[in-house]
Amino acid sequence: DMKVTQMPRYLIKRMGENVLLECGQDMSHETMYWYRQDPGLGLQLIYISYDVDSNSEGDIPKGYRVSRKKREHFSLILDSAKTNQTSVYFCASSLRGNSDYTFGSGTRLLVI
Amino acid sequence: AQSVTQPDARVTVSEGASLQLRCKYSSSVTPYLFWYVQYPRQGLQLLLKYYSGDPVVQGVNGFEAEFSKSNSSFHLRKASVHWSDSAVYFCAVNNNAGAKLTFGGGTRLTVRP
Repeated sequence: DMKVTQMPRYLIKRMGENVLLECGQDMSHETMYWYRQDPGLGLQLIYISYDVDSNSEGDIPKGYRVSRKKREHFSLILDSAKTNQTSVYFCASSLRGNSDYTFGSGTRLLVI
Repeated sequence: AQSVTQPDARVTVSEGASLQLRCKYSSSVTPYLFWYVQYPRQGLQLLLKYYSGDPVVQGVNGFEAEFSKSNSSFHLRKASVHWSDSAVYFCAVNNNAGAKLTFGGGTRLTVRP
């Protein structure tokens, strides 16, 4: 079953806490992505990973970092979360150079 | 640089009516174009895509879209909508410089029974 799995689905954190969002895929896709979705803004790209330990900043990387130690797993880390990082975070994957994305179901993060 | 504009944040239509959701893009080259749909509390799912060739592309569930280079547009259409089409629709563009997609702000479609 080809899918992208995100954990957790819902998360509440206090301002200043560290946050770890996990994403896994079972399609051996080389490229993985983290987006955030805010009302009226669509999806904004945070980071792209082209393969293990090959990560690039997207359009809004400030306040985030990523880790990809295995091809099937891509993590998004918020060091010292801020209230303006309250959002829905989506992970996606695709074959190298291909724009046919497979999306996860998202993680709803609330920072209070 | 590439960008996408979906001028209508919300669209409401009656079941059985025809539908057009608008998408305008900006790109220095003829891009790859996509429409995604997002149902409540789910991720995005690909509806259809345009790479080249016939400017009218068919997608799932009776959706189609037409690419217009002269108008820099990629509007989504459906002849007769069903209540289950209620969702948020995103247009996206890739200018062929890798896999990065740029998304529009989305259009929330509500279909009245």
